[in-house]
Amino acid sequence: QSVLTQPPSASGTPGQRVTISCSGSSSNIGSKTVNWYQNIPGTAPKLLIYSNNQRPSGVPDRFSGSKSGTSASLAISGLQSEDEADYYCAAWDDSLNGVVFGGGTKLTVL
Amino acid sequence: EVQLVESGGGLVQPGGSLRLSCAASGFTFSSYWMSWVRQAPGKGLEWVASINQDGSEKYYVDSVKGRFTISRDNAKNSLYLQMNSLRAEDTAVYYCATGGATVAQFDYWGQGTLVTVSS
Repeated sequence: QSVLTQPPSASGTPGQRVTISCSGSSSNIGSKTVNWYQNIPGTAPKLLIYSNNQRPSGVPDRFSGSKSGTSASLAISGLQSEDEADYYCAAWDDSLNGVVFGGGTKLTVL
Repeated sequence: EVQLVESGGGLVQPGGSLRLSCAASGFTFSSYWMSWVRQAPGKGLEWVASINQDGSEKYYVDSVKGRFTISRDNAKNSLYLQMNSLRAEDTAVYYCATGGATVAQFDYWGQGTLVTVSS
C-alpha cells in the first residue's frame, strides 16, 4: 500500500486529454512539492514534472502538472502512442522522513 | 553530459551482503543530494535511501533501516549502498538518482543494476 494513491490504470485515444491523480496527506503533498516521473518498462525513469507544475527542458508542453491541497494531477493533452508508459508521483514526507512514491499508473493509448 | 553508472549488482543468497556503486560524471557531484531508488520485478518505484552533499544527513526507507548503509566519496565522485542481511524482497533493479532542488526531485537516473536475492 503506497503512501501516495494513484489509479492503477488510465487510457485514452490519440489526440485525447487524460489526467492522472495522486492523493496524499498533509505530511507530504499538503506541505511539499510534487514531482512526476515517466517510466517505460526496461528503461530508467524520466523526470516529467517538478515542483508541482514545472517542466524540465525537453519535456513537451503537452504534459502539465497541478496541485491543490493534498492532491496533485498530471495532465497529458494531445495523447500520442509514445506516451504509453507508467507514471509515478513522488514527494517528501515529513512524518516518514523520506521520499514517497505513488503506486504508479499504467497509461494505455488505445 | 550527466552520467550515472551503477555497478555491483548480482545474485546473492538470503542473508548475504552486496555493495553497490554509482560513478558520477558531468556535474559537480559534491553539490547534490544523492539517492538510491529500486524497482522490484513487475512492481513500482520505491525510494531506498538519500544522502546530503557532505554525507552528514542520511535517510532510509523503514524496510532497510539497520541493514543498508548509504555513503559517498566526493573525491571519487562516487555513491555507494552497502546492503547486508539481504532478503528475497530486496530483489530489484537499483537506480542511482540525483539532480533536483529537493530530495524527492530526481533529474538524472542511472541505467540501474539488478540485485537478485535467492538461494
